[in-house]
Amino acid sequence: EVQLVESGGGLVQPGGSLRLSCEASGFTFSNYWMHWVRQAPGKGLVWLTRINRDGDSTSSADSVKGRLTISRDNAKNTLYLQMNSLRVEDTAVYFCARGPELRSPLESWGQGTLVTVSS
Amino acid sequence: DIQMTQSPSTLSASVGDRVTITCRASQSISTWLAWYQQKPGKAPKLLIYAASTLQNGVSSRFSGSGSGTEFTLTISSLQPDDFATYYCQQYNPYSPSSTFGQGTKVEIK
Repeated sequence: EVQLVESGGGLVQPGGSLRLSCEASGFTFSNYWMHWVRQAPGKGLVWLTRINRDGDSTSSADSVKGRLTISRDNAKNTLYLQMNSLRVEDTAVYFCARGPELRSPLESWGQGTLVTVSS
Repeated sequence: DIQMTQSPSTLSASVGDRVTITCRASQSISTWLAWYQQKPGKAPKLLIYAASTLQNGVSSRFSGSGSGTEFTLTISSLQPDDFATYYCQQYNPYSPSSTFGQGTKVEIK
């Protein structure tokens, strides 16, 4: 069974940093492109960033470039999202998701982890 | 960046109704378009990709159409389990980013 399990969310002060993890199981992790998507409370989905199978190519939404960095460790079957200079508006549930290719939709999702940025 | 605009934002309908949701792209995305269903507190679920291809295991009452800049999701006969929020997403591989529409909430009339 395909599983994506996010962790690392929590309460952080404005200006702080946090690293989210997404542990994959039930499939060959290194065969998939991976993405992060977030959803602020009561709001819609926002695509954030993606990474290729090898981890040597990434792309991000302009709104988060320079503050959110995606990476992966295929040996550990784990995806990461390093979040720096956090703002109140970064408060959201963060989902990881997979797609077999760049030209693929997000076919499987994790359950999400909540990040709250507040003083 | 490519902008995606869904309409309506909210739709009130009854069980058995035929429902149509529209998604427009700010520039042509060919058929690089997916539709997702999301229920409160849950992760989104992929329904349709490549504008009109039904994801495995998804009910045939869902269908998608369109290409270029205008797309539709149709639910042929609304069922109680279909009351949810629906999102379109462009995943054009020639664009540096992907984007979602703002969502359409399907409510019970």
